[in-house]
Formats: sequence, C-alpha cells, structure tokens
Amino acid sequence: QVQLVESGGGVVQPGRSLRLSCAASGFTFASYGMHWVRQAPGKGLEWVAVIWFDGTNIYYVDSVKGRFTISRDNSKNTVYLQMNSLRAEDTAVYYCVRGYDIFDHWGQGTLVTVSS
Amino acid sequence: QSVLTQPPSASGTPGQRVTISCSGSSSNIESNTVTWYQQLPGTAPKLLIYPNNQRPSGVPDRFSGSKSGTSASLAISGLQSDDEADYYCAAWDDSLSGVVFGGGTKLTVL
Repeated sequence: QVQLVESGGGVVQPGRSLRLSCAASGFTFASYGMHWVRQAPGKGLEWVAVIWFDGTNIYYVDSVKGRFTISRDNSKNTVYLQMNSLRAEDTAVYYCVRGYDIFDHWGQGTLVTVSS
Repeated sequence: QSVLTQPPSASGTPGQRVTISCSGSSSNIESNTVTWYQQLPGTAPKLLIYPNNQRPSGVPDRFSGSKSGTSASLAISGLQSDDEADYYCAAWDDSLSGVVFGGGTKLTVL
C-alpha cells in the first residue's frame, strides 16, 4: 500500500534552517508529482510547493519563494523540503502529498516549530 | 484570505443533506480540476471527491461533488455523526502557478 513518511521536523530558532524528508513506498515514485502542504496550528491547509515526477518543473507559494527548496531523489524514493531563513509564521505541520492536481495520498505530517 | 472561498461552518442533523460551497475564479475552478478533502480531528486530510464526481475506494456515495463555472460544491446526504470534520476544496490556479485551497468548512452534526 502507498506510504508516505515525513521526518525532520522539530523546534528551530528564527532565521535558522531545517530539512524535511518524505520517504515513499508502495508505488512507482518516479512516476508521480509530489507536493508539500502545511497547516499552521488551528488553521487551514496551505499548499507550499510541487515538484514534477522528473524534477523538471517546480513551483512554490509566494511566501516561501527564495527561502524553501523542494527536491527529490528518485533512486531513494524520497522528496525533500529545504527550509532556510525560517520565520515564526512557518510554524506548521508539514504534509508530504502524492499527485499533481489530485492529492490522493497524504503522509501523517511532521511538526515544525519556529521559536526563540 | 484564501483564494477559494468556503463558508467557515455548516451544520445539520443526522439524516439531513448538507452542501458546502467553494467559490473561485476563471483561473482556478473554471479551468481546472476541483477536489475535496476531509480532515477528521487530529488526522491528516484525505481525498474525498475528484473530477466527474469520483470517489476513492471506501468513500460512501453519500458524498458527491459538482462544478459550474467558477464555483463548486460538496453535498453530503444522510448525514452521520462521524461526518463531523473539516472539509476543504482545492484547485490548481493558472495565474498563481500553484495549488489553492479553500479556507475550510467545519461541519457540525447536531
């Protein structure tokens, strides 16, 4: 069965960096686009970034452009989110999600807390 | 302020039919796929409805979706207590080159 397992969350000071990973299994990873979607405490869902199956197309929400980088390693069935210059408003549960315009599988999420 | 507009709350009694609206624009709902997600308390969202009113395996046919122009809606018939959840619509936005979500609708079963 499809599994998406995020890791790398934690508490980090403002301005510092963190890298999230999402290990995929149960499907042909190299055939799917992958997204990161976040949810601040008590708030709604916010799309963060997408990477095409082969990495040729990448898009970000405006609020993270220039600070976050999405990448993937199809040999390791893993997608990453490098987060630099973190701000308090980046505090959220980050979900790894499979798909392009249909998000058919979600990970359990990893919590990122940006606080001094 | 979300690009897609949903009512913040909705409610109904067991057995009733409830609809949740999602309003967007020509750059998102009108021209792209609209999907709906259910998020039960303390859990990750899950796909509920995708184009042509399709549902993933395990989602009952009490749930249905529709789209007309720049708006979409989710209908839940035969409301049950375990339908209490947050519901989100989503679509790709051609102008923003990204995915946009509605702000979410909290459904309460009275």
